[in-house]
Amino acid sequence: GAVVSQHPSWVICKSGTSVKIECRSLDFQATTMFWYRQFPKQSLMLMATSNEGSKATYEQGVEKDKFLINHASLTLSTLTVTSAHPEDSSFYICSATPGHYEQYFGPGTRLTVT
Amino acid sequence: AQSVTQPDIHITVSEGASLELRCNYSYGATPYLFWYVQSPGQGLQLLLKYFSGDTLVQGIKGFEAEFKRSQSSFNLRKPSVHWSDAAEYFCAVGARMDSSYKLIFGSGTRLLVRP
Repeated sequence: GAVVSQHPSWVICKSGTSVKIECRSLDFQATTMFWYRQFPKQSLMLMATSNEGSKATYEQGVEKDKFLINHASLTLSTLTVTSAHPEDSSFYICSATPGHYEQYFGPGTRLTVT
Repeated sequence: AQSVTQPDIHITVSEGASLELRCNYSYGATPYLFWYVQSPGQGLQLLLKYFSGDTLVQGIKGFEAEFKRSQSSFNLRKPSVHWSDAAEYFCAVGARMDSSYKLIFGSGTRLLVRP
């Protein structure tokens, strides 16, 4: 149980375009979903927290207009990187929680912006 | 402020040897503690967690961790390491911030296993 999927697992896009990443909790309802960014050989950096039906809460320094988060249902959250640039290339990981502290992580999405 | 410290960036052990990965936390209240493992290019898998009760926690894949409040530590152990255990290990503490329960991660320890 407690499986979280992400799609796509990797994506290459051209500079200036937008890309959407989906995060789904497959066998539980997620009251909250989280989006992280991970640079090579580094820990996870929390970007934003999203609750179903409400606006996401962004961490300090994260551009909310660049990283659009939508949490339309209790099993789906999306992250859209708008007007992507090479510096947005990274590994993006989502997690979902049925409540409290326990988070279940997706397999991650490798974004490369050319 | 809440924080997690994993003092070892890399650890190398021989296959079959025992393993201990260190984790120290800073948190004002009773901590909720986690160990996750990440294989290259993958997401994080929960190994074990401590919320309350018995301070020795058993997890998956033969791992265990011991919560020591006096030392603010939550070290991960395994009696006999397998080559497939080579991965990145993250310790985390749960913290309630901005009306959400968030995880604060350590910087990670990369485990290398010698054949």
